[in-house]
Amino acid sequence: QVQLVESGGGVVQPGGSLRLSCETSGFTFSSNVMHWVRQAPGKGLEWVALIRYDGRKESYADSVKGRFTISRDNSNNMVFLQMSSLRPDDTAVYYCVKGTYVQIYLDYWGQGTMVTVSA
Amino acid sequence: QSALTQPRSVSGSPGQSVTISCTGARSDFGPFEFVSWYQQHPGKAPKLIIYDVSQRPSRVPDRFSGSKSGNTASLTISGLQTEDEAEYFCCVGTFTTYVFGGGTMVTVL
Repeated sequence: QVQLVESGGGVVQPGGSLRLSCETSGFTFSSNVMHWVRQAPGKGLEWVALIRYDGRKESYADSVKGRFTISRDNSNNMVFLQMSSLRPDDTAVYYCVKGTYVQIYLDYWGQGTMVTVSA
Repeated sequence: QSALTQPRSVSGSPGQSVTISCTGARSDFGPFEFVSWYQQHPGKAPKLIIYDVSQRPSRVPDRFSGSKSGNTASLTISGLQTEDEAEYFCCVGTFTTYVFGGGTMVTVL
C-alpha cells in the first residue's frame, strides 16, 4: 500500500532554516508528481510546492517562492522541502502528498510533520 | 480569504443528503475542469474523495458524488453516515498550481 512518512519538523526561530524529508513506498515513485501542502493550526489547506516526476520542473505558491525549494531523489524514493528565511506564518503541519503522472489531483497524503516558527 | 468559496458548515441527519458548493471567479480558474475534493477528520490527514469534478477513486464509497455547473462545483453526500462528519475541502488545480477552498464542516445531527 502507498505510504508517505514525513520527518524533519520542529521548532525554529524566525529567519532560520529547516529541511523536511518524506520517505515513500508502495508505488512507482519516479512516475509521479510530488507535492507539499501545509495547514496552519485551526486553518485550511494551502498548497506549497510541486515537483515533476523527473525533477525537471518545480512550482511554488507565491507565499513561499524564493524561500522554499522542493527536490526529489528518485533512487531512494524521497522528496524534500528546504525551507529558509522562515517566518511565524510558516507555522503549520506540512504534508507530503503523492500526485499522479499527468492528472491534476492529490492522490495520497502522509500524516504530516509540524513546523513551528517562534522566538 | 480563499479564492474558492465554500459554506462554513452544513448539517444533516443520518440517511439524508447534503451538498457542499465551491465557487470560484471564472477569470481565475478557466473552465473549472480539474476540481477535486478532500475529506479531513479532526487530527487526521486529508483524503481524496473526488477528482476531475466527478470521478471517484475505487476506495471511496459511492455515496460521494461530484458535479459542476459553470464556475461552481458541488460535492453531494447521499445517505449520510456518522463517519461522514468531517471537514471537506474543494481544490482547483493546474499543472503548476493548486488552490483550496476554505473548507466546509459537515455535521451529522
